[in-house]
Amino acid sequence: QKEVEQDPGPLSVPEGAIVSLNCTYSNSAFQYFMWYRQYSRKGPELLMYTYSSGNKEDGRFTAQVDKSSKYISLFIRDSQPSDSATYLCAGRDSWGKFQFGAGTQVVVTP
Amino acid sequence: EAEVAQSPRYKITEKSQAVAFWCDPISGHATLYWYRQILGQGPELLVQFQDESVVDDSQLPKDRFSAERLKGVDSTLKIQPAELGDSAMYLCASSLSGLDEQFFGPGTRLTVL
Repeated sequence: QKEVEQDPGPLSVPEGAIVSLNCTYSNSAFQYFMWYRQYSRKGPELLMYTYSSGNKEDGRFTAQVDKSSKYISLFIRDSQPSDSATYLCAGRDSWGKFQFGAGTQVVVTP
Repeated sequence: EAEVAQSPRYKITEKSQAVAFWCDPISGHATLYWYRQILGQGPELLVQFQDESVVDDSQLPKDRFSAERLKGVDSTLKIQPAELGDSAMYLCASSLSGLDEQFFGPGTRLTVL
């Protein structure tokens, strides 16, 4: 069983809608959580980096971590066609062990 | 803006041939990672370096894969012999230390025929 589970999608939303992405994890040692965006045939780029539980906002992006339920979320407000990509969540423990989810493909239609 | 460089971007080879990938991390980043990403899956760590030393190569198929970072800067990942199942994107990433955020290169897409 993978330590980070993510629905592969695809998730299709109309332009301007809120995109809601979720991951669950099983490793209680994970303290840091990340969301990466990956365009087709490109490397992942870091979007959000959070520590422990709580919310973090950056522009149109909001990341949430609920350690009690081992649940992490990413919300994208006012979605644009340029947001169409695969979104990868990841967890890391204090010793540097890093685990990615499989990624969710998002399609924002004009 | 500093970036992780990788080459080649694309590689097509026949099975049983040898292939090599090169990565130049962001200047000053001590930690370098090689990942393999199969289509539709997340990246999986193959090997992690701290400077020139291997920190984790537990998932590296050592019978055919090798990696080196001789001077603690750039790195090479080699596959010999390549197999059909090796077709994937090979990603390099670097970070200041093993506890900082990772920055990824554009990847090398390998196709084994």
